[in-house]
Amino acid sequence: EVQLLESGGGLVQPGGSLRLSCVVSGFTFSSYAMSWVRQAPGKGLEWVSGISGRGGSTFYADSVKGPFTISRDNSKNTLYLQMNSLRAEDTAIYYCAKDVGDYGANLYNWFDPWGQGTLVTVSS
Amino acid sequence: EIVLTQSPATLSLSPGERATLSCRASQTVSSYLAWYQQKPGQAPRLLIYDASNRATGIPARFSGSGSGTDFTLTISSLEPEDFAVYYCQQRGNWPLTFGGGTKVEIK
Repeated sequence: EVQLLESGGGLVQPGGSLRLSCVVSGFTFSSYAMSWVRQAPGKGLEWVSGISGRGGSTFYADSVKGPFTISRDNSKNTLYLQMNSLRAEDTAIYYCAKDVGDYGANLYNWFDPWGQGTLVTVSS
Repeated sequence: EIVLTQSPATLSLSPGERATLSCRASQTVSSYLAWYQQKPGQAPRLLIYDASNRATGIPARFSGSGSGTDFTLTISSLEPEDFAVYYCQQRGNWPLTFGGGTKVEIK
């Protein structure tokens, strides 16, 4: 069974930093791209960032390009999101999502399954 | 960035009725569109990918159609567990984007 477990969320002051982690199991981690998707309270979904299976390609939403960095450690089956210079508008549940394939494959950039999410609150 | 506009924002229907949800893209995404279902307090679940392909384990009452800029998710006969929020998502261009969602509520 595929499982994704996020951690690292919490309350942080504006301008602060957090690093989110997503530990996965049940599949060959390095064979799949991964993404982070966030959802502000009561709002819709926003794709944040994606990374290829081996980590060589990364992509970001314009809203986080610069302050956020996605990475992965395939030896630890773990996906990361380093978030710097956090702002109130970054407050959201952050979901880790497994891609259905890797970049360049026939199928990719569809997300199945998703983790349960970790809440990030940016407030003074 | 490709903007996805979903309509209606809310759909009030009774169990057994047919639901038709729309997603319109600001520019063509070919057939690179997916649909997700999200229930309160849960993560989203993939229903449909590449506009018309059901994901693993998704019941046949869910179907998707469309290409280019106009897409439709149809639920042929609503079951009680289908009342939820539905999102479309495109992968035609970076950055990936989602629509604003359609809430299917019990009438």
